[in-house]
Amino acid sequence: GNSVTQMEGPVTLSEEAFLTINCTYTATGYPSLFWYVQYPGEGLQLLLKATKADDKGSNKGFEATYRKETTSFHLEKGSVQVSDSAVYFCALSRANFNKFYFGSGTKLNVKP
Amino acid sequence: EAQVTQNPRYLITVTGKKLTVTCSQNMNHEYMSWYRQDPGLGLRQIYYSMNVEVTDKGDVPEGYKVSRKEKRNFPLILESPSPNQTSLYFCASSQYRETGGGYTFGSGTRLTVV
Repeated sequence: GNSVTQMEGPVTLSEEAFLTINCTYTATGYPSLFWYVQYPGEGLQLLLKATKADDKGSNKGFEATYRKETTSFHLEKGSVQVSDSAVYFCALSRANFNKFYFGSGTKLNVKP
Repeated sequence: EAQVTQNPRYLITVTGKKLTVTCSQNMNHEYMSWYRQDPGLGLRQIYYSMNVEVTDKGDVPEGYKVSRKEKRNFPLILESPSPNQTSLYFCASSQYRETGGGYTFGSGTRLTVV
């Protein structure tokens, strides 16, 4: 089947620290992979995506690389800011299908 | 502005009283979907629609109904709400088969059933 597993939160970091949020997936076929971010009181927003193996998605200083050999799509940022505090969701979708599978979300707290 | 609009943002209701949560998108997207978000469970798909008059069940459809009479609207109907339907609900849309683009989400509806 298809599923996404991401690390439990919350993750608490100081400003300018390095961030990694782990995400691994199980999928049939060749899925596309996504990271979504949810700020307090808002809906989910697409943060970055990768549609094939070895692709790197990037946006707003965040990066994630599609690793087929380890079935992973870990989110990284070199220097987090207080404004990055949010819940981050890893997700996958299968080619030619609009069904998405979401992880359970990881809450990030960044302290000044 | 391209967006998905849900109403209401907050709703408190009593068990058994029928309610409708509206969802509208202005991007001419073919595909629309409803999700519920619960702590520790992430987002779970309730229903989806691939076009007008085409709907199908997601992972947790029990207790919900949907309709797609127009391309832009996709209301979620709870005929007889129960407390276990207390949740945060999101409507989302995308171009059908354009999975690379991802979803556009609404801002959410927080429903409490007492």
